[in-house]
Amino acid sequence: DAGVIQSPRHEVTEMGQEVTLRCKPISGHDYLFWYRQTMMRGLELLIYFNNNVPIDDSGMPEDRFSAKMPNASFSTLKIQPSEPRDSAVYFCASRKGLLEQYFGPGTRLTVT
Amino acid sequence: GQQLNQSPQSMFIQEGEDVSMNCTSSSIFNTWLWYKQDPGEGPVLLIALYKAGELTSNGRLTAQFGITRKDSFLNISASIPSDVGIYFCAGQGEKSGSEKLVFGKGTKLTVNP
Repeated sequence: DAGVIQSPRHEVTEMGQEVTLRCKPISGHDYLFWYRQTMMRGLELLIYFNNNVPIDDSGMPEDRFSAKMPNASFSTLKIQPSEPRDSAVYFCASRKGLLEQYFGPGTRLTVT
Repeated sequence: GQQLNQSPQSMFIQEGEDVSMNCTSSSIFNTWLWYKQDPGEGPVLLIALYKAGELTSNGRLTAQFGITRKDSFLNISASIPSDVGIYFCAGQGEKSGSEKLVFGKGTKLTVNP
């Protein structure tokens, strides 16, 4: 299996621009998670989906953040407008039921 | 909310030494997972534990699910330079909303050759 796929791996953008991060979960997995990792705050759960339905978005920092999962093989995390404090590494992870959770390689976002 | 206390925060060891790190919680967990993260990469799953008392090995790594279901440890034997990285524990609780993992803050391991 290819594992969780994320794109892009690196994104540099200017403040105010829209940023879209993409994730392809492992085939057959019914849970998908979006995390953000920073030195200060560690690994934070932003939102997760079960069978393409958002279950808990309480970790989404502001209305500037939105996530969608139009089908079982694709999810996006969008930031509009982006701000310098959004700079972080964003991870997508997927899981089948309550079994092992696997992470993607991450997208390193820098907002200048 | 549920929290995991992971210790130590960092370790500096010589190649060949054994390493031990642990996670504790005031809450009961149904599952314990251990991950390793290399710089610039995502966390990689090392070991998954599903039953209290379970002891599982993966090469030089051994992890145990505590009997009380509130703790877990990870041991690395005969460390080598490529063991360098950050190790995270994660637990999955038994209460409502427990579909999401709770993560420890990580143990940063440095191995001197």
